[in-house]
Amino acid sequence: QIVLTQSPAIMSASPGEKVTMTCSASSSVSYMYWYQQKPGSSPRLLIYDTSNLASGVPIRFSGSGSGTSYSLTISRMEAEDAATYYCQQWSSYSFTFGAGTKLELK
Amino acid sequence: QVQLQQSGAELVRPGSSMKISCKASGYAFSSYWMNWVKQRPGQGLEWIGQIYPGDGDTNYNGKFKGKATLTADKSSITAYMQLSSLTSEDSAVYFCARSDGNYGDFDYWGQGTTLTVSS
Repeated sequence: QIVLTQSPAIMSASPGEKVTMTCSASSSVSYMYWYQQKPGSSPRLLIYDTSNLASGVPIRFSGSGSGTSYSLTISRMEAEDAATYYCQQWSSYSFTFGAGTKLELK
Repeated sequence: QVQLQQSGAELVRPGSSMKISCKASGYAFSSYWMNWVKQRPGQGLEWIGQIYPGDGDTNYNGKFKGKATLTADKSSITAYMQLSSLTSEDSAVYFCARSDGNYGDFDYWGQGTTLTVSS
C-alpha cells in the first residue's frame, strides 16, 4: 500500500500570504487529490486529478505535481482557509490518505 | 442536489456489533460507488472499503476485512456498514462518501456518524 507523507504537519500564514504544502508518495502515483476539513465537519474535495479545481472551490487554490511529489498552493491566504488539508491517492483498488497539514491563521 | 444522510451517534458495548446507514439522494444511487472512511479523534482519514450498489461488488482495505461488512439496498437507496467485535479502537467518526468509480476521488460526503465503544 502506498504511503503518503505530508509536510509540514503544522503551519501558519498571515492573510494575503502565499501557502504551499507538499505530499510525497512512497511509490509513483498517477494522480493526487486534496481535501479541506474544518473541525466538526466532513472533508471537502478541493482538487481532483492533481490540478483540477472541484466545483465551487476558489481559484486561489491550485494543485500540481507528478510521480511521487505533489503540492497544494493557496495564492493568498484568507481567514476561512484555516483548516486541515489531506492528500489522497488511489492505486490497486486501494485508497490512502496523508496524515494532514494543519494550516493556522497567523 | 446530492446528499448523503447518515444515521445518528451510537454508544455500544465492547464485543457487540452495530450497523451505520447512509441514505443517498439527488443522484443515481446504483451508478456510483459508496465508500466508508474512518477518522479517530484528532487523527487522519482511513479508507475502509467501498461498494457498488448496482451489483453489490465490494473492495476492502485489508486492515478492515472481518471488521467491516458493506451492503447496499437499492430499493431504499441506502448503503450500510456493519462493524463487528467492537473494541475501543473502533471508537471514531465514520463517513460515507461517493466516488464516480472504484478509483479517484470522493466528491460528496455524509455528515459523519460518531461511534463510541464503552462499557
